[in-house]
Amino acid sequence: LAKTTQPISMDSYEGQEVNITCSHNNIATNDYITWYQQFPSQGPRFIIQGYKTKVTNEVASLFIPADRKSSTLSLPRVSLSDTAVYYCLVGDMASAGTALIFGKGTTLSVSS
Amino acid sequence: NAGVTQTPKFQVLKTGQSMTLQCAQDMNHNSMYWYRQDPGMGLRLIYYSASEGTTDKGEVPNGYNVSRLNKREFSLRLESAAPSQTSVYFCASNRDRGLANYGYTFGSGTRLTVV
Repeated sequence: LAKTTQPISMDSYEGQEVNITCSHNNIATNDYITWYQQFPSQGPRFIIQGYKTKVTNEVASLFIPADRKSSTLSLPRVSLSDTAVYYCLVGDMASAGTALIFGKGTTLSVSS
Repeated sequence: NAGVTQTPKFQVLKTGQSMTLQCAQDMNHNSMYWYRQDPGMGLRLIYYSASEGTTDKGEVPNGYNVSRLNKREFSLRLESAAPSQTSVYFCASNRDRGLANYGYTFGSGTRLTVV
């Protein structure tokens, strides 16, 4: 499984756009990139997933360059409720039993 | 639709005691997983099951056993609890191949304290 590297922490203010970049130099051909959000005392929650180029949903956008060695999670106009830990994971999610390995994630702190 | 249900939510054990953490999903998912999360840390994979009848070790399997009872249920057993197993345990499931959204669905966790 490809290892990922992301910043330990980030700070932002309400209303700003936040971009969290994740490095995954050893990503394999069949690997997808998935981001999760975790609030204190809760299990992680799926945010977005992509394979290449750009993916957008109602919560976030995911930008993946052509070489796929990195990805950027973009959160538009963050609010206080976006304060959480964000995990970037890489794995072949279409194969049975793919076991995702979580790192320490990026702790995002949003202030007013 | 309950998703992934874990029981109990909280548990205190004495060193050496045994217990089983229960996990059930109602989404007809094939794969199920057990993770532990220690304070300030990410999640670490204990065991997983790609399908009914199969289980595999993850990053930190020592001290644990698992059973994939059927497609819905995946239990985690501590045979002789140790203080080092004090943690929050999360169960997750995944649909694997299918339409868009291959993400895991997590339960709300079991907070275990071993004294």
